[in-house]
Amino acid sequence: EVQLVQSGAEVRKPGESLKISCKGSGYSFTSFWIAWVRQMPGKGLEYMGIIYPGNSDTRYSPSFQGQVTISVDKSISTAYLQWSSLKASDTAMYYCARHVTSSTWFDPWGQGTLVTVSS
Amino acid sequence: QSVLTQPPSVSAAPGQKVTISCSGSSSNIGNNYVSWYQQLPGTAPKLLIYDNNKRPSGIPDRFSGSKSGTSATLGITELQTGDEADYYCGTWDSSPYVFGTGTKVTVL
Repeated sequence: EVQLVQSGAEVRKPGESLKISCKGSGYSFTSFWIAWVRQMPGKGLEYMGIIYPGNSDTRYSPSFQGQVTISVDKSISTAYLQWSSLKASDTAMYYCARHVTSSTWFDPWGQGTLVTVSS
Repeated sequence: QSVLTQPPSVSAAPGQKVTISCSGSSSNIGNNYVSWYQQLPGTAPKLLIYDNNKRPSGIPDRFSGSKSGTSATLGITELQTGDEADYYCGTWDSSPYVFGTGTKVTVL
């Protein structure tokens, strides 16, 4: 079974750093892109960026460029999303999702990681 | 702010049909396939329709998709209480992927 399993919920203070993870299994991890999607409380889905584990090619949505860093460790089939200095406005659910090259869809999705930033 | 516009909500009685529109432009829907995602309350999104009108394995044929020009439509027939969810369209817009504004389906 193709599966993406994300790390657990996190609570941080403004200004702190954070790295959340997304581990793929059941498929060739290096052959599919991994995207990150934000969903703020009560809001819709926002595409943040995408990485190709095979060569670490990374592309960011203009809205998130410079705000987060997407990385990967293909030796453990895991993608990461990290912040160097969190803001309260980063409070959201974050999903990872697998993407097939040249397609227009994401499948499957991870279960989500809730990030809460509060003083 | 999303560039794909959906109605905020639609509703119908069990057994009825609903349609959800997704309006875009030539830079997104007009030049790319469209996918649809279902997000049940408290869960992660799930792929419902891809390449405008194809259903992944396990998705019932009560769900259908279509595209014309710069708009796409999701149809749900024989509506069930388990279909109550948020639905999002999505496609590429040049480089960034874009999702629709989302539509809440309520079964009356």
